[in-house]
Amino acid sequence: AQSVTQPDIHITVSEGASLELRCNYSYGATPYLFWYVQSPGQGLQLLLKYFSGDTLVQGIKGFEAEFKRSQSSFNLRKPSVHWSDAAEYFCAVGAGEYGNKLVFGAGTILRVKS
Amino acid sequence: ETGVTQTPRHLVMGMTNKKSLKCEQHLGHNAMYWYKQSAKKPLELMFVYNFKEQTENNSVPSRFSPECPNSSHLFLHLHTLQPEDSALYLCASSQDLRGNYGYTFGSGTRLTVV
Repeated sequence: AQSVTQPDIHITVSEGASLELRCNYSYGATPYLFWYVQSPGQGLQLLLKYFSGDTLVQGIKGFEAEFKRSQSSFNLRKPSVHWSDAAEYFCAVGAGEYGNKLVFGAGTILRVKS
Repeated sequence: ETGVTQTPRHLVMGMTNKKSLKCEQHLGHNAMYWYKQSAKKPLELMFVYNFKEQTENNSVPSRFSPECPNSSHLFLHLHTLQPEDSALYLCASSQDLRGNYGYTFGSGTRLTVV
């Protein structure tokens, strides 16, 4: 069965520092991969997605992620974190016959210190 | 209004009550989903609808009853719930069942069962 692991439950970074959130997935074929962000009391917003082509994908709010098939990873990065980036981040893989049933990781809570 | 709208935002109900959650999308999408987000657990897919037809029931207890009268509206009818059903219920939509589109989520309904 498909699964997603986000090894870090909490991460704290200083404002202006770089960020990398880790995501490892388990899936037999070429996966559809997604990163979502959730602010407190809100739904999830799509940051970026990968389903084919260039393994480095750009998203909104200055985020990017790199698909590495050999490592089964899809890590999220941002070169300079802003205080407004504090939120919970979810990695997901598209499962099922059509890849539309998203299986989510447990999430990583990002704290930004000034 | 665009996007996915969920009402109510907050709901407190007793275990003997009957209530309904509503989801509405104005994106022209054909697939709609219910997810449950509990504290300290990954998001769990509950139901999938495509062109008003249910295509997935992820072993959800019968005290949760979905209804999809058209591609724009999705309901979750609740009755005789348990305290462990307290969670954030998220509705999402996608263009169709093809996984490469990703979802658009609503802001969720925070349900508390007392």
